[in-house]
Amino acid sequence: EAGVAQSPRYKIIEKRQSVAFWCNPISGHATLYWYQQILGQGPKLLIQFQNNGVVDDSQLPKDRFSAERLKGVDSTLKIQPAKLEDSAVYLCASSLTLGQYNEQFFGPGTRLTVL
Amino acid sequence: ELKVEQNPLFLSMQEGKNYTIYCNYSTTSDRLYWYRQDPGKSLESLFVLLSNGAVKQEGRLMASLDTKARLSTLHITAAVHDLSATYFCAHSTASKLTFGTGTRLQVTL
Repeated sequence: EAGVAQSPRYKIIEKRQSVAFWCNPISGHATLYWYQQILGQGPKLLIQFQNNGVVDDSQLPKDRFSAERLKGVDSTLKIQPAKLEDSAVYLCASSLTLGQYNEQFFGPGTRLTVL
Repeated sequence: ELKVEQNPLFLSMQEGKNYTIYCNYSTTSDRLYWYRQDPGKSLESLFVLLSNGAVKQEGRLMASLDTKARLSTLHITAAVHDLSATYFCAHSTASKLTFGTGTRLQVTL
């Protein structure tokens, strides 16, 4: 079974530029998550989708971050404009559906460096 | 506000000795996860603890959960070099995971 795929793996941009990350979840997984992991910290949930609807985006900085999952499969996370403090690894995860019994599976992450 | 705290943040371990990592959380949980992360890699699920008194073991690692104390422990028996990594606990409510700060383990000869 293929895992969660993410691209690109690495991205270096200058502050105020825009960047987008792509995630393809495990086939059949209805729930998709984006996390931000700053160096030396645990991952922090940014946004959670159930199919193509947003379940929780309470920790997403909506003035600069946006995410979509238009067809309920792949998802993109965008930052516009980027700030230095956005340097982090962005992890995508998926689970079969919502609910406490559904384990999340993580992708390899995209490491973003903002100069 | 939910807090998930791990200690220690860094642990230098001698090969062959035993150590414990502690994970405290501030609100009730559906379940508690332990993950391993190697440098530059993603998260690998180690254990899922579902109920009070749950204990799971895999190789040299054993995890336990005390829901009354809101405490989980990860015990390492006879540490070996390939256990060097960062370990995270994660508190789960519904579908939401809240991660601890992580404990970086380094095993030395």
